[in-house]
Amino acid sequence: DTEVTQTPKHLVMGMTNKKSLKCEQHMGHRAMYWYKQKAKKPPELMFVYSYEKLSINESVPSRFSPECPNSSLLNLHLHALQPEDSALYLCASSRSQGFDQPQHFGDGTRLSIL
Amino acid sequence: GQQVMQIPQYQHVQEGEDFTTYCNSSTTLSNIQWYKQRPGGHPVFLIQLVKSGEVKKQKRLTFQFGEAKKNSSLHITATQTTDVGTYFCALNSGNTPLVFGKGTRLSVIA
Repeated sequence: DTEVTQTPKHLVMGMTNKKSLKCEQHMGHRAMYWYKQKAKKPPELMFVYSYEKLSINESVPSRFSPECPNSSLLNLHLHALQPEDSALYLCASSRSQGFDQPQHFGDGTRLSIL
Repeated sequence: GQQVMQIPQYQHVQEGEDFTTYCNSSTTLSNIQWYKQRPGGHPVFLIQLVKSGEVKKQKRLTFQFGEAKKNSSLHITATQTTDVGTYFCALNSGNTPLVFGKGTRLSVIA
């Protein structure tokens, strides 16, 4: 059982739709991450939140918009996505943003863009 | 930016055989982490190595960190079907995000 919960597990959307991915953790972690993973590839970092503030944006297109409403929740708002955005989107958390901290991943949301 | 090479890309072994994956960095590392991702699953943290020359064991898994802190290996003794998955190293060289290696996909034939 994962301690980081992501919803939905699967999402199919058209290029004109707006949807949101949600992530929740109750481990008291103060850093949360969004990764994108294509098939047979490693996870690619998208965003890092530290103490509910965006600290790293890895040059992600503006059609992806992260939000951290509180220390337990992380959202990723999606709008006008492209077919190449189809991937597994993973949320992770760690005790703090120090990159020597182990990261705990959720099960991910499998996103398909039609 | 930091370069990381992980080899081999794929490894197919008979159950009971040993398996090793290697990770090499172009820069000296602060620490290295290893993750396992089962097919259809998510990455799961296995271990972190910090000290030069460090060796850690978890049952049949042995992790090593090179003396120069530029390379690492994961060795599995007597593989089992439960070891199937992709093993990623993740490098940290200071106050920068983790850089994941491309992973080694392990298949175990029963």
